[in-house]
Formats: sequence, C-alpha cells, structure tokens
Amino acid sequence: EVQLVQSGAEVKKPGESLKISCKGSGYSFTSQWIAWVRQMPGKGLEWMGIIYPGDSDTRYSPSFQGQVTISADKSISTAYLQWSSLKASDTAMYYCARQAGSYSLTHYYYYMDVWGKGTTVTVSS
Amino acid sequence: DIQMTQSPSFLSASVGDRVTITCRASQSISSYLNWYQQKSGKAPKLLIYAASSLQSGVPSRFSGSGSGTDFTLTISSLQPEDFATYYCQQSYSTPRTFGQGTKLEIK
Repeated sequence: EVQLVQSGAEVKKPGESLKISCKGSGYSFTSQWIAWVRQMPGKGLEWMGIIYPGDSDTRYSPSFQGQVTISADKSISTAYLQWSSLKASDTAMYYCARQAGSYSLTHYYYYMDVWGKGTTVTVSS
Repeated sequence: DIQMTQSPSFLSASVGDRVTITCRASQSISSYLNWYQQKSGKAPKLLIYAASSLQSGVPSRFSGSGSGTDFTLTISSLQPEDFATYYCQQSYSTPRTFGQGTKLEIK
C-alpha cells in the first residue's frame, strides 16, 4: 500500500525551531516529488513547495520562500519541513502529498494522489 | 503566480441534486487542472486530474470539464457522503495554486 506517514502534533513557543517529517512507503520514494501544503484554521489549502527526493531539487512558493526549508533524506524515504524561528501565524495543519503524474497525448499532467494525514502545529506563548 | 477563483464559495443542495462548481484561472492553463475533495478533519482526496480524468476509485457521478481558463466540476446526483469542501488546483506552473474552495452543504 502506498502511504505517507507524518509525524505527530507539535506545540511550540514563538521563536522555537521545528522540523516535521513525512515518510513514504509502498513506492519508489526517490522517483516522485513530495509537496507540502498548509491549511490554517478554518481556511483553504496553500501550496508551499515541492522536493524531488532523488536529487533534492526543491521549488518554493514565493509566499513561503525564506520562511521554511524543505528537505529530504532518501536513505530513509523521508521528507521534512522545518522552521528556524516559529511565529504564531505558523499555527496550521501541514500536509505532505505525493505529486504523481501521467501522460495524456503529448502532455504530462501532475496531481497529488496520495496524502499524509497531516501534522498539526500550534505556536503559542 | 496563477490565481484560481472558484464559484460559488458556498453551495446548499439536496441529496439527488445535480451540482456544478466552477473554477477560473487568471491565465490559460490548458488542461492542467485538478479537483480535490476535503471532508472535515481529513486530508484532501484527489477526484479529477487533467481537467477531466477520473481518479481511480472515484465514483462516476463526479466529472470534470473545461480547458484554457474555465473549468467545471459536476456531481450528477449528490449523495450524503459528497457534502464536503471542493478545491481546484492548477498544475501548469509552480507555485501550484489552489482555488479558495467551495463548501457544499446540505439544504
């Protein structure tokens, strides 16, 4: 079974650092991109960035560039999302998702077909 | 960034109804459009990719159409389990932006 297992809920204080994880299994982890998606309380989905675990090629949304770091350790099939100094506004649910793709005629289409259950991050003094 | 705008933001309907949700991109994205369903407290679930391709295991009452800038998600006959929030997402370029969501509620 293809699955992404995320680390557990975190409660942190402003200014603290944090690294959450997403472990893939049941497929070739190094061959497909992993995306991170934020959902603030009561709000919609925000695409943060993606990483290709095979070579750690990483792309960020401009909204999150410089605010977080996405990384991966292909030896243990795990992707990470980290903060060096958390803010109260980082309080949210964070999902990782596999970015799969398929061909149709001459085009290759990407989509997020497998999602982790999410990691809740609460930042409060 | 490509902006994605969904309408309506809220939709009230009854079991058995046919409903349509629209999504508009700020520039042409060909058929690089996905639809997701999210139930309360759960991770999103892929319904439709490439504008009209049904993801494996998704009921056939869900369908997608459109290309360029205008897209629709149609549920042909609403079932109780379909009441959820629906998001479109473009996969034409990064950042792969989402629409703001459409919350489908029971009338």
